[in-house]
Amino acid sequence: DIQMTQSPSSLSASVGDRVTLTCRASQSIRTYLNWYQQKPGKAPNLLIYEASSLQSGVPSRFSGSGSGTDFTLTISSLQPEDFATYYCQQSYSVPLSFGQGTNLEIK
Amino acid sequence: EVQLVESGGDLVKPGGSLRLTCAPSGFTFTTAWMSWVRQAPGKGLEWVGRIKSKKDGGGATDYAAPVKGRFTISRDDSKGTLYLQMNSLKPEDTAVYYCSWYYYNREAYWGQGTLVTVSS
Repeated sequence: DIQMTQSPSSLSASVGDRVTLTCRASQSIRTYLNWYQQKPGKAPNLLIYEASSLQSGVPSRFSGSGSGTDFTLTISSLQPEDFATYYCQQSYSVPLSFGQGTNLEIK
Repeated sequence: EVQLVESGGDLVKPGGSLRLTCAPSGFTFTTAWMSWVRQAPGKGLEWVGRIKSKKDGGGATDYAAPVKGRFTISRDDSKGTLYLQMNSLKPEDTAVYYCSWYYYNREAYWGQGTLVTVSS
């Protein structure tokens, strides 16, 4: 089974900051990597699929990169609505798996 | 507009059974692959399993290890409905259960979730 590890587990940042979240897979998953945003009490929302493709309707300040085992999600200029928890997910092989999440908090 | 609505969550005793339902709309259900994902209180997301469409996957299912043999995902294409049958429930199955449309290798759309509590 493929293990997904996100870092950091939590991050404090300010509005306007550029932040980068990291996700690492225990083996190569090519570019079968998705990123989701979840706000308290709400369902997750797809941001990025196939490592770098922006889901329709998602602001362009979100971007993803990486392949193989190492991936990043970058938010170019944090907005108040971006403070949430972010999860990566590998869809390369079953059982599919999520990272443990990165909680992005306001500094 | 794509919508997925889960129902059936409840309080159930350990060892009991429960069936969750997901009613999707806004896309062609018969050709869709569908997933269940859960989230224990205060914890992260955990993939439960998925079902392929009958057309290009024969309706095959895959499960996560913690639920394999106890949970069954099924679909009724005539009713446009997805199910999660949960048997031999344990306290660690307590979670919000989400259904999602698994579209081209991503959980593209999610329902609002339904809470399952396993407790005596």
